[in-house]
Amino acid sequence: DTEVTQTPKHLVMGMTNKKSLKCEQHMGHRAMYWYKQKAKKPPELMFVYSYEKLSINESVPSRFSPECPNSSLLNLHLHALQPEDSALYLCASSQDGGSKNIQYFGAGTRLSVL
Amino acid sequence: KNQVEQSPQSLIILEGKNCTLQCNYTVSPFSNLRWYKQDTGRGPVSLTIMTFSENTKSNGRYTATLDADTKQSSLHITASQLSDSASYICVVSSGGSYIPTFGRGTSLIVHP
Repeated sequence: DTEVTQTPKHLVMGMTNKKSLKCEQHMGHRAMYWYKQKAKKPPELMFVYSYEKLSINESVPSRFSPECPNSSLLNLHLHALQPEDSALYLCASSQDGGSKNIQYFGAGTRLSVL
Repeated sequence: KNQVEQSPQSLIILEGKNCTLQCNYTVSPFSNLRWYKQDTGRGPVSLTIMTFSENTKSNGRYTATLDADTKQSSLHITASQLSDSASYICVVSSGGSYIPTFGRGTSLIVHP
């Protein structure tokens, strides 16, 4: 199983809503990542978790709050988002955080903020 | 500053034809280079990964080359199919870093 599963596939939310994106992998990977991707642009790294601990936060606004409940799950909690936060949010995982590891990506959650 | 430049930005070819995509990088120290295929609205899928000592790696109709001296890589697609229409992204990792450097991608369209 080389799959990273993201839910929901699509999400539409207002600026006052609170929602969560979910990501799950069962490959035994110990590093998990959140990326944000705007149309026709490469993914931008947001957060990295290594062994369930947040190791990198790329200066992401506090309206995005990551959570890693266990080694298989990664959540991204959303609150008071802005329309410019509309994007494809990608989750990825790798064996560990080492640079030689291949990152496996999920299919993404398409987020629209109204 | 680590950078990855890809060319062309977009490419249109006829089904059955071959094509080659280019990737130049200035990432240092170099660890590995990966090519991903990303269909519209989907997550990237890894095609190949190459380390410093590898010159060529194939995955079906996809063949990637790496010249670590000139810091260039290419992705050659043979006998293109309509399903090859996608964005192809070159990603270079630096030694010991979690944070890879992404190219902006080449958008490939295969016409029947």
